[in-house]
Amino acid sequence: DAGVIQSPRHEVTEMGQEVTLRCKPISGHNSLFWYRQTMMRGLELLIYFNNNVPIDDSGMPEDRFSAKMPNASFSTLKIQPSEPRDSAVYFCASTRYLGGNQPQHFGDGTRLSIL
Amino acid sequence: AQTVTQSQPEMSVQEAETVTLSCTYDTSESNYYLFWYKQPPSRQMILVIRQEAYKQQNATENRFSVNFQKAAKSFSLKISDSQLGDTAMYFCAFMKPRINNNDMRFGAGTRLTVKP
Repeated sequence: DAGVIQSPRHEVTEMGQEVTLRCKPISGHNSLFWYRQTMMRGLELLIYFNNNVPIDDSGMPEDRFSAKMPNASFSTLKIQPSEPRDSAVYFCASTRYLGGNQPQHFGDGTRLSIL
Repeated sequence: AQTVTQSQPEMSVQEAETVTLSCTYDTSESNYYLFWYKQPPSRQMILVIRQEAYKQQNATENRFSVNFQKAAKSFSLKISDSQLGDTAMYFCAFMKPRINNNDMRFGAGTRLTVKP
């Protein structure tokens, strides 16, 4: 079975540019999560969706970050304009449903470098 | 708020030996779930093992087992017969499930090196 698919795997861009990260959750999973991982702050939950609806975006650092989930099989995380401090590994994860004992299944992450 | 503490930033073990990674958490809840994730250098986050708080029996997955002490709020991971491929960051995670909500917290991680 295909896992969570993220693209691109690596992204290098100059500050001020728009960055779009993409995620395809596991088929049949109803909840999707975006995380950011840095050495300083570890894994931080940015936002999560349930049935394509954003449930909690309190982890989104600022208005430059936005996320969408137009359908059950696709989500984007956008940073505009990007800044060097946004450099991190961004993970997408999905789970079958919220509640219960469903673990989150992670994608391979996107390593983002803002120059 | 729930917090997860991994007090060992780094550990090492000889191949074929046994190692235990510690994790403690703070919660006032009685029903919750605990997980260990492995992140090798390839940076994938791989679920290793999970434990339901209402189960007294410790979870086991092949060479991986946990020692779940609910009263002490401790959830350690034991890796038996360590292999070179076990070299990775290990994250302990706590989840308090709620309807239409998620409350999953990760520890800071323990970097495990298996030496040949």
